[in-house]
Amino acid sequence: GAGVSQTPSNKVTEKGKYVELRCDPISGHTALYWYRQSLGQGPEFLIYFQGTGAADDSGLPNDRFFAVRPEGSVSTLKIQRTERGDSAVYLCASSLDGAAKNIQYFGAGTRLSVL
Amino acid sequence: AQRVTQPEKLLSVFKGAPVELKCNYSYSGSPELFWYVQYSRQRLQLLLRHISRESIKGFTADLNKGETSFHLKKPFAQEEDSAMYYCALRPSFGNEKLTFGTGTRLTIIP
Repeated sequence: GAGVSQTPSNKVTEKGKYVELRCDPISGHTALYWYRQSLGQGPEFLIYFQGTGAADDSGLPNDRFFAVRPEGSVSTLKIQRTERGDSAVYLCASSLDGAAKNIQYFGAGTRLSVL
Repeated sequence: AQRVTQPEKLLSVFKGAPVELKCNYSYSGSPELFWYVQYSRQRLQLLLRHISRESIKGFTADLNKGETSFHLKKPFAQEEDSAMYYCALRPSFGNEKLTFGTGTRLTIIP
């Protein structure tokens, strides 16, 4: 079956612009996660959705970052007034639900470059 | 707060030689530990988790709570093992987010 799908695969934008990154989880997965991976680092947690609600948004770095999942499936990560430091690979993962026993499956990521 | 440390950024091993990728963690409770792998031009995928206590592609990892370590081992390296390896921790039940280490790039020399 189809895995986690992320679009676009690459996004180049200018400093100060607004961007949206999309994640389409595995069908039937109610839990969805966003991570950010900067060069030379491991993925860092941003936000976790259980269904439509954000169960944990403690990893969002500041109020320029926002994510939604209005129908409990597709999620969009939104970044306002982008800065060069936002350049990174943004990873999305989904799992069957948030239970400890369930594995997180990752998408291929969106590489964001802020010029 | 929890932390995962992978002390080696790069590791080169000859084909057929044993491999050990180190992972240490800090967390006051009972964590769940994972190894994720990313092969060239592929997405991040789960290799193994400590609660499963299984061997995947010849790799094993034992959680040592006394030393707070979860080292990944394989007795005989194969060329297809070349990849980026990340150790990850999930805190006690009910907290789903993963904390990753910085990763180790493993290169198997033919």
